[in-house]
Amino acid sequence: LAKTTQPISMDSYEGQEVNITCSHNNIATNDYITWYQQFPSQGPRFIIQGYKTKVTNEVASLFIPADRKSSTLSLPRVSLSDTAVYYCLGGGATNKLIFGTGTLLAVQP
Amino acid sequence: SQTIHQWPATLVQPVGSPLSLECTVEGTSNPNLYWYRQAAGRGLQLLFYSVGIGQISSEVPQNLSASRPQDRQFILSSKKLLLSDSGFYLCAWSSGLEGNEKLFFGSGTQLSVL
Repeated sequence: LAKTTQPISMDSYEGQEVNITCSHNNIATNDYITWYQQFPSQGPRFIIQGYKTKVTNEVASLFIPADRKSSTLSLPRVSLSDTAVYYCLGGGATNKLIFGTGTLLAVQP
Repeated sequence: SQTIHQWPATLVQPVGSPLSLECTVEGTSNPNLYWYRQAAGRGLQLLFYSVGIGQISSEVPQNLSASRPQDRQFILSSKKLLLSDSGFYLCAWSSGLEGNEKLFFGSGTQLSVL
């Protein structure tokens, strides 16, 4: 079972780049790394997914080193609306998709 | 496009009463379906997942049960609610092959057991 570990909370200011790192030491060979964003009283929303190296979309970038034991979600120039909980998932064994505790990102003006 | 519907949005139930939460998915066939629960200020706990009609896997022993009577319908039930069943319940479906699934969540049901 691919368990992930990430910081409980992070603080930032508007306009800064934020990097959230997740460790997934037991990730399986065929597992991708997926990040989700959750606002209060809403379900998590898919942000980005990758297997290795770097993936970029209109929202974020995902950096995955060669050993794939960790990943870093990079949010460029955050705004107040990026305040949310961010979860990383290291794939799923037999369709179990387990969320960790997530990282609460608080963006200050 | 695919959509997921979950209802009701909020529910207040007395202890000992039954529960039925329903979730339906449109625009896809044979999705993997999930029920998660989130206590206030906590992470998501996987309760059940299903890979097909009538196929339910339970992750934690509890007072709840799940059923999948149709391909795109997932129901969470309880015969007698406990105070500890309070929480935010989320239904989700996933696309993709095992290992690179992407989860898509419903809007959730806030359940308060009093």
